[in-house]
Amino acid sequence: EAGVTQFPSHSVIEKGQTVTLRCDPISGHDNLYWYRRVMGKEIKFLLHFVKESKQDESGMPNNRFLAERTGGTYSTLKVQPAELEDSGVYFCASSLFGQGARETQYFGPGTRLLVL
Amino acid sequence: GENVEQHPSTLSVQEGDSAVIKCTYSDSASNYFPWYKQELGKRPQLIIDIRSNVGEKKDQRIAVTLNKTAKHFSLHITETQPEDSAVYFCAATYNNNDMRFGAGTRLTVKP
Repeated sequence: EAGVTQFPSHSVIEKGQTVTLRCDPISGHDNLYWYRRVMGKEIKFLLHFVKESKQDESGMPNNRFLAERTGGTYSTLKVQPAELEDSGVYFCASSLFGQGARETQYFGPGTRLLVL
Repeated sequence: GENVEQHPSTLSVQEGDSAVIKCTYSDSASNYFPWYKQELGKRPQLIIDIRSNVGEKKDQRIAVTLNKTAKHFSLHITETQPEDSAVYFCAATYNNNDMRFGAGTRLTVKP
């Protein structure tokens, strides 16, 4: 069974540009999470989808970030316009719906974003 | 919101020694506490977890303890090996739907 995949693996953009990150969860996983890790800091929660609905987006930094999960399968996270502080590794994770957050979350390999 | 504090941020031990990483959390309703290991260049992977109805869980050289009264939980690795070198993250559920992670501990096991 394929694991969680993310694309691209790396992205280097200039301040003010737009970047779209994609996450493909494990098939059948209704829960999809986006996280960001800045070097040396915690894996910070951004938002949580249950199928196509946003369950919790309290971690989204501001309105420059837009996440979608049309059809409840893959998800995209768009940053527009990108700022220097958006740099970091963006992780996606998915899990079965079952027991909510108590289900094991499977992480993708992450997208390393660098904004210059 | 939930705050998960993790200590130490870096830990260096000699091969064969034990390593202990500690975490505290703030949400008294948290009921699930997983630990993830992230090796260099790889994705975080679950290595062990504990639910709030037990105080300790062990899997070979890895054990976790949970003290719900004090709101802290710990990861214990015994007989460490060089391949245990990685960044370890603790996490705790928040609002029963989400997870909050600690800042990570970089463990180095010296041969």
